[in-house]
Amino acid sequence: GEDVEQSLFLSVREGDSSVINCTYTDSSSTYLYWYKQEPGAGLQLLTYIFSNMDMKQDQRLTVLLNKKDKHLSLRIADTQTGDSAIYFCAEKDEKLTFGTGTRLTIIP
Amino acid sequence: GAVVSQHPSWVICKSGTSVKIECRSLDFQATTMFWYRQFPKQSLMLMATSNEGSKATYEQGVEKDKFLINHASLTLSTLTVTSAHPEDSSFYICSGGQGARTGELFFGEGSRLTVL
Repeated sequence: GEDVEQSLFLSVREGDSSVINCTYTDSSSTYLYWYKQEPGAGLQLLTYIFSNMDMKQDQRLTVLLNKKDKHLSLRIADTQTGDSAIYFCAEKDEKLTFGTGTRLTIIP
Repeated sequence: GAVVSQHPSWVICKSGTSVKIECRSLDFQATTMFWYRQFPKQSLMLMATSNEGSKATYEQGVEKDKFLINHASLTLSTLTVTSAHPEDSSFYICSGGQGARTGELFFGEGSRLTVL
């Protein structure tokens, strides 16, 4: 079946950029997503990218997609304490498959 | 973005009882909704795909008789956990989208079920 992998933890100093990486195996993915989950809460859609694009920028968020290497990244510029959360990447073909989630910790 | 609302946010029940969780799309029509289950510190696992007006499609290993899904209208899908047991305790999250055209999928706030 489809597999989506992420690093489990990332620590970044406040004000620096955070880069969260994700790899996937499904070559038929149509959309790839980044979701944010704060403790005890549901998932908030941050951004998504169509599989024929290689970059998408939305304010502090930049998504890069390398379809050949099946690698997706999310860059958060000027990371703030409110960005502390778990970030899930997900890929969609017929169904949505989630990565393991990356817990982002902000160091003051 | 579009809003998906779940109710209840949390529920505690006794073993052997049934619990119903509602998932509503508030400002769009969702022909398809998805139900996920999340264990502590783990990722989301798709349980089933709920299709309006037809039977749900369950993922391998998910008991359809235990997790009853009904999608009676374009704005409401329900998940009923029948004869709940402590191992069913989990965080259940639904999602819906405006269709393949946009690619956007929005999630509800989640429902935390605790079975005593």
